[in-house]
Amino acid sequence: SQQGEEDPQALSIQEGENATMNCSYKTSINNLQWYRQNSGRGLVHLILIRSNEREKHSGRLRVTLDTSKKSSSLLITASRAADTASYFCATERSSGYSTLTFGKGTMLLVSP
Amino acid sequence: EPEVTQTPSHQVTQMGQEVILRCVPISNHLYFYWYRQILGQKVEFLVSFYNNEISEKSEIFDDQFSVERPDGSNFTLKIRSTKLEDSAMYFCASSGNLAGLSSYEQYFGPGTRLTVT
Repeated sequence: SQQGEEDPQALSIQEGENATMNCSYKTSINNLQWYRQNSGRGLVHLILIRSNEREKHSGRLRVTLDTSKKSSSLLITASRAADTASYFCATERSSGYSTLTFGKGTMLLVSP
Repeated sequence: EPEVTQTPSHQVTQMGQEVILRCVPISNHLYFYWYRQILGQKVEFLVSFYNNEISEKSEIFDDQFSVERPDGSNFTLKIRSTKLEDSAMYFCASSGNLAGLSSYEQYFGPGTRLTVT
């Protein structure tokens, strides 16, 4: 698998439910970032978690990072129809410059 | 809130033509990037730019591509002779990294959809 692989590929839930998306990566990282992309639109930065952090919250978002397992999860609580989008994790390597390597993303569909 | 802007939003060009995609990064940022996303695929890194020179580039960024920061605000990506496979959404991003220090979020522009016919 490649750096920054999300699962599931697609997730369909009802409004009010929680959505959990996972990301795995291979190399050592400085940080891991989550982005949202509405269909055909730009990337919106959601949250950044550094390699020395284990958990971070921002509003209805909760991100965890387990560097020993090289994995991260994004939890969206009390989902809304407006959360419908693709969600990508992106890792910044710990060596070299701060380029991001993206995963293929999880398509989240939240039904009213 | 400051944001990255890109022009045009959509560019249609014929194969073999040159295109220039423009970006205005967030004004106090130091690092600038171009990424692309072919329809239905993941976002791929092309090039990063710092202190008026390329700091890193991917295998995709071959001799047909070039970047420039012609003034204090614009950051451009030029494709000299476009190919059909260059059709993609091109994203510009900027970040406030200070070299060698802790990292910052990369903020992306809305993208330019390039269609090569």
